Amino acid sequence: AQTVTQSQPEMSVQEAETVTLSCTYDTSESDYYLFWYKQPPSRQMILVIRQEAYKQQNATENRFSVNFQKAAKSFSLKISDSQLGDAAMYFCACTYNTDKLIFGTGTRLQVFP
Amino acid sequence: EAQVTQNPRYLITVTGKKLTVTCSQNMNHEYMSWYRQDPGLGLRQIYYSMNVEVTDKGDVPEGYKVSRKEKRNFPLILESPSPNQTSLYFCASSSAGFSEETQYFGPGTRLLVL
Repeated sequence: AQTVTQSQPEMSVQEAETVTLSCTYDTSESDYYLFWYKQPPSRQMILVIRQEAYKQQNATENRFSVNFQKAAKSFSLKISDSQLGDAAMYFCACTYNTDKLIFGTGTRLQVFP
Repeated sequence: EAQVTQNPRYLITVTGKKLTVTCSQNMNHEYMSWYRQDPGLGLRQIYYSMNVEVTDKGDVPEGYKVSRKEKRNFPLILESPSPNQTSLYFCASSSAGFSEETQYFGPGTRLLVL
């Protein structure tokens, strides 16, 4: 069965510092997509970053970047220069069977001033 | 403004009383899906639809029905709700599954079944 594992239920970071959220996944497919979503207290789901598995280059979006290790099936999210507005629940997700998406259980990130 | 809307946003109901949660998108997207979010479980896919009249089960379809008669609408139907369906529900859409672009999520519907 396809699984996505986020082993850190909670993380905290000081403002302006860097934090890395971990995600591992298990898939037998060769072509798939990986995502990080942010869910602030408003409960809105916001796409942070997207990675195609066939691309070796790690995706980046401003202060957000990923470390994609395909062989290890690891997809961690690095947030640089953390801001108070980054405080949220973060979900890692992976596609499977082309049309389905499976999520991890989430990591709650706290940002301290 | 491109968006996915859901109604109602909050709903309290009783066991066995049929209900429908509507979902509508204004982006002419072909792909739509429903998820439920529960503490400690993340989001789980209930049903998805690749196009009008084409729907398929996700990981947790039991107790739910969907229909896709129009491209813009994808209602979620609970024929006989039970307390274990108390959850936060999200509708999402994208132009063509996940390979083309990201999903746009609705604001969520919080359902309490007594």
